[in-house]
Amino acid sequence: DTAVSQTPKYLVTQMGNDKSIKCEQNLGHDTMYWYKQDSKKFLKIMFSYNNKELIINETVPNRFSPKSPDKAHLNLHINSLELGDSAVYFCASSQFLADLKETQYFGPGTRLLVL
Amino acid sequence: AQSVAQPEDQVNVAEGNPLTVKCTYSVSGNPYLFWYVQYPNRGLQFLLKYITGDNLVKGSYGFEAEFNKSQTSFHLKKPSALVSDSALYFCAVRPTSNTGNQFYFGTGTSLTVIP
Repeated sequence: DTAVSQTPKYLVTQMGNDKSIKCEQNLGHDTMYWYKQDSKKFLKIMFSYNNKELIINETVPNRFSPKSPDKAHLNLHINSLELGDSAVYFCASSQFLADLKETQYFGPGTRLLVL
Repeated sequence: AQSVAQPEDQVNVAEGNPLTVKCTYSVSGNPYLFWYVQYPNRGLQFLLKYITGDNLVKGSYGFEAEFNKSQTSFHLKKPSALVSDSALYFCAVRPTSNTGNQFYFGTGTSLTVIP
C-alpha cells in the first residue's frame, strides 16, 4: 500500500479554472504538508497542518486554500488558476515529535499544467 | 535567515568512482540535517538524517553523510557510484529552535553516474 498518495497524478487545465488536489496518508501521522516544486526543481513549503490545525502558512496567494477533513487527509484547492501555478505539488506527512527528530514522507507528486 | 545551499546544480561521476554531493547550511542553533533523493517523476525519498552523535551517518542504498559543525556542512557520499544512483538529491535542514514544523530544502543537485 502506498504510504502517501495524491490524486490526480497529472492535471492539465485552463487559466481561470478552479481545481483540487487530494492527499491521503496511511502512516498514522499527525502532520501533513504541501510543497511546490517549480520548473527549476526548487522545493518550497506552502502549508503544514498538525492534527487538522494550520501551523505553517507561507507566503502563498490566497487563491490556494488547504483543507484537512481529518488527520489522514490534506487537500489543496486552487481558485482562478494562473500560468505561474504550473508546477509539481508534493504532499508529505510526518509524526510530530517534541524533539523535532521526525522524518517527512512524500507523495509521488501532482503535475499541474495551466494553459 | 535560514538557508540551505547546494553549490552544485549538476554532478557527474563515472560508475564505480566515489561520489560527493555537497550541502552547507546557515541555520541558528544545532539543526537536524536530512538527505532526500528524487528519481524522475517520483516523490522525494528519505535517505538519511543526522540528529546527534557520530558525525558520519549511514543511510539507505550505501549512502553516508558527514556532518561538519565548524564548516556547517553535511555532504552526501558514496564509496562506489552506481548508474541507478542517477537522480536529484536534496539536502534539508530542520532548525531545532523552530517549533513550527519548518523544514528548509536546498535547491537540489542532479547526479549523473556515467556507465
